[in-house]
Formats: sequence, C-alpha cells, structure tokens
Amino acid sequence: EADIYQTPRYLVIGTGKKITLECSQTMGHDKMYWYQQDPGMELHLIHYSYGVNSTEKGDLSSESTVSRIRTEHFPLTLESARPSHTSQYLCASSEYGGSTNEKLFFGSGTQLSVL
Amino acid sequence: GENVEQHPSTLSVQEGDSAVIKCTYSDSASNYFPWYKQELGKRPQLIIDIRSNVGEKKDQRIAVTLNKTAKHFSLHITETQPEDSAVYFCAAFYNQGGKLIFGQGTELSVKP
Repeated sequence: EADIYQTPRYLVIGTGKKITLECSQTMGHDKMYWYQQDPGMELHLIHYSYGVNSTEKGDLSSESTVSRIRTEHFPLTLESARPSHTSQYLCASSEYGGSTNEKLFFGSGTQLSVL
Repeated sequence: GENVEQHPSTLSVQEGDSAVIKCTYSDSASNYFPWYKQELGKRPQLIIDIRSNVGEKKDQRIAVTLNKTAKHFSLHITETQPEDSAVYFCAAFYNQGGKLIFGQGTELSVKP
C-alpha cells in the first residue's frame, strides 16, 4: 500500500548527539516536506524539496540539514541535539501540481526527546 | 511576510450545533487553501480545499468560503458530531518559495 513512513517512531537521546530522522514514501511523489509540531500545536516548516537534488529552507532550518538523493527518501539530520529540539517531527509528501494542488500526505511522525 | 492567522484557538460546541473557524493570509498571490484535521495522536489529513477561482465549496457537512479581496477564508461544520472533535489547521500556498504555510490550529471539542 502506498504510504509515507517515518522511523524511528520514538527517540530519546542526550544533548549534543547527532541524529537522523528517516522518511520514505512509496506514493511516487516529487515534493517532500519536514514540519515540527508540538502536540496539537502549529506546524512549523523546517525544510522542503521539489525533487532529487533539490532542498529548500523553511522557517526553522538553521539547526538541521536535509538531503534528497533519491525521490522516495528525505532524511532530516540534527547535527547537535538540544533540549529545545524536543518535539514531534512530521514528514509529508505531495504530488506537485503547482500552486493550486498542493495536497500533502503526512507520515505518522517521530517523537523526539532530548535530555 | 508569509503568515496565516487562525482563530479561535479553541472552540467548544454542543453536538448538532455549527462550528466556524476563520483564517487570514498575507500574500494576495496565494491561490490554494486547504484544511487539515488532526485527531489526537494521529497524523493531519486533508478534509477539504478551495482554489482562488471559487468562492465556496461544500462536501456534505463541511464547507469552506473564500474572500480573496479581504484575504480570508473560513471552515464551516454543520450538525457537529463528537467524532468531529480534533485540531483543525488551515493553510495557504505561498507562490514565492512554493510552500504550504499552516495556521496555528483550532482545537474543536464537540460535547454530546
């Protein structure tokens, strides 16, 4: 079944560690997004990508990096985790249809806790 | 700047009543406005969307209206049911940068 998968589902790590959150989609979509969300709160755009070798910055991009080497894979890396990074991270994909058809499909999220 | 304001932040209604959530956006060039529903512990899911060439769109108990001149759009839920309880997010597509920006969310509680 076509879907968007995020791993791990939960992660607890210590301050200063480097971590990579994985996101893969089997939807055949070109565009992918990363959002940060505290429970039930606003979704903050971190990074997004139009396709292979494309990466764009969102509002919260300064402390993380992304790569897009394969269409289906869009990992997010925090170089040095801090307690302020404790949050849920949601990956999403869309079949890019231009400015009037940006329908996002979300993964189940990774809940990150930094001690 | 790129901004979507959403109100109210919380909304409590009795079952069977209507609920209205309002959003404003800042970029007059935006032309796509989706609404997402996020149930507790679940991922956000698209429930309805509207494009700028349409003033209103309806899907069963859900409707969305758009006023391009005033740069605001609203979600209307009629005959609310307890399963409508969730957090609802509006969003606007910003052509500059080609990204979807979300509002702050509205927590809707439907009391039986």
